[in-house]
Amino acid sequence: GAVVSQHPSRVICKSGTSVKIECRSLDFQATTMFWYRQFPKQSLMLMATSNEGSKATYEQGVEKDKFLINHASLTLSTLTVTSAHPEDSSFYICSARFGGRTYEQYFGPGTRLTVT
Amino acid sequence: AQSVTQLDSHVSVSEGTPVLLRCNYSSSYSPSLFWYVQHPNKGLQLLLKYTSAATLVKGINGFEAEFKKSETSFHLTKPSAHMSDAAEYFCVVSGSGNTPLVFGKGTRLSVIA
Repeated sequence: GAVVSQHPSRVICKSGTSVKIECRSLDFQATTMFWYRQFPKQSLMLMATSNEGSKATYEQGVEKDKFLINHASLTLSTLTVTSAHPEDSSFYICSARFGGRTYEQYFGPGTRLTVT
Repeated sequence: AQSVTQLDSHVSVSEGTPVLLRCNYSSSYSPSLFWYVQHPNKGLQLLLKYTSAATLVKGINGFEAEFKKSETSFHLTKPSAHMSDAAEYFCVVSGSGNTPLVFGKGTRLSVIA
């Protein structure tokens, strides 16, 4: 099956610094990538949708200047959390999709961000 | 617009007994439906999907789900629970076009030895 990787799997950073998370589709070209945030014992919350070569579409309430998304190629999307604060601590999951009838998404293993 | 309701936030079963995780959906389009499983601190793994073919869908690890349009349901079942099935399960719906997936709130499955 299709594989999506995320790096790093776990990161701890100090308040005020920026953190970049990478999402890669390893064996297919992803026309669309998604970024989700998941709080403990809760469901996934969609943050933004990005298509290769175009600006990301952010969900309501998500600060686009704080969560910078770049989708530079069909296999790579990055999420940068700028000026991180403790409330940004969360589990971030990306997913990738290629076109087709099922529009199935393949999920990365997630990145645990802790801001101290 | 699409929505999905997982009727139970927590289900507890004994090892070797059947599993039933309930999901109802709402969709303006002919939906695609998915069940994903998430183990602690892990990403999501696709268990099975329905995409307007056979209404009874078989997935991995012995799970299956039946699409019932008249009941707008897509319940997940397994004949015999295993300890390794303990995890969080998400029912997900996707509409037509490039619409994002819509997740249910999840059902935590506990398996008792």
